Amino acid sequence: QKEVEQNSGPLSVPEGAIASLNCTYSDRVSQSFFWYRQYSGKSPELIMSIYSNGDKEDGRFTAQLNKASQYVSLLIRDSQPSDSATYLCAVKSFNAGNNRKLIWGLGTSLAVNP
Amino acid sequence: DAGVIQSPRHEVTEMGQEVTLRCKPISGHNSLFWYRQTMMRGLELLIYFNNNVPIDDSGMPEDRFSAKMPNASFSTLKIQPSEPRDSAVYFCASSFRAGPGLAGTDTQYFGPGTRLTVL
Repeated sequence: QKEVEQNSGPLSVPEGAIASLNCTYSDRVSQSFFWYRQYSGKSPELIMSIYSNGDKEDGRFTAQLNKASQYVSLLIRDSQPSDSATYLCAVKSFNAGNNRKLIWGLGTSLAVNP
Repeated sequence: DAGVIQSPRHEVTEMGQEVTLRCKPISGHNSLFWYRQTMMRGLELLIYFNNNVPIDDSGMPEDRFSAKMPNASFSTLKIQPSEPRDSAVYFCASSFRAGPGLAGTDTQYFGPGTRLTVL
């Protein structure tokens, strides 16, 4: 059973629309959640991190965390063609001590159509 | 400030040859991660180091893979002998945290990757 699951897509939205990306995780005691964006042929780059239940907004991006339901989502408002990329969800589980390991989803491919 | 540096960016080799990938983490970071990415399996953690010490190598596929971190500013991932199924993009990433519950985050910063092709 995969520990972090994402819909592989592709998710296709028109320019200017809201894109909604979802991620579920299996470890109930997970504590840190990350959304990375990866353009084709490039390396992943951090978009948002979230640690507490609720919403966190940064410009056109909003991360939403619901620990009770074990999901985290990313909303992209006013989607632009430049947002077309693969979005990776990563989760860090609670672990006493020095654990730095993230568990990664396979990513959702987003296509924003002009 | 320079990000994570990886070399080479591209490597084409023949089956059975030794391959060495190199990584320089962001200065001041104390954790370093080696990942492999393929279309089928996504991003897989191979091994990670805290303060130059290997912590979790459970993702290393087999004995053909080895990794070292002789100091805080350099790490290598070696494949010997290489096989066609090792063809992938290999990423190095680094992060900083002073200690459990202390300053820093678990945000990982990725290098540009090495695209390895084994013929």
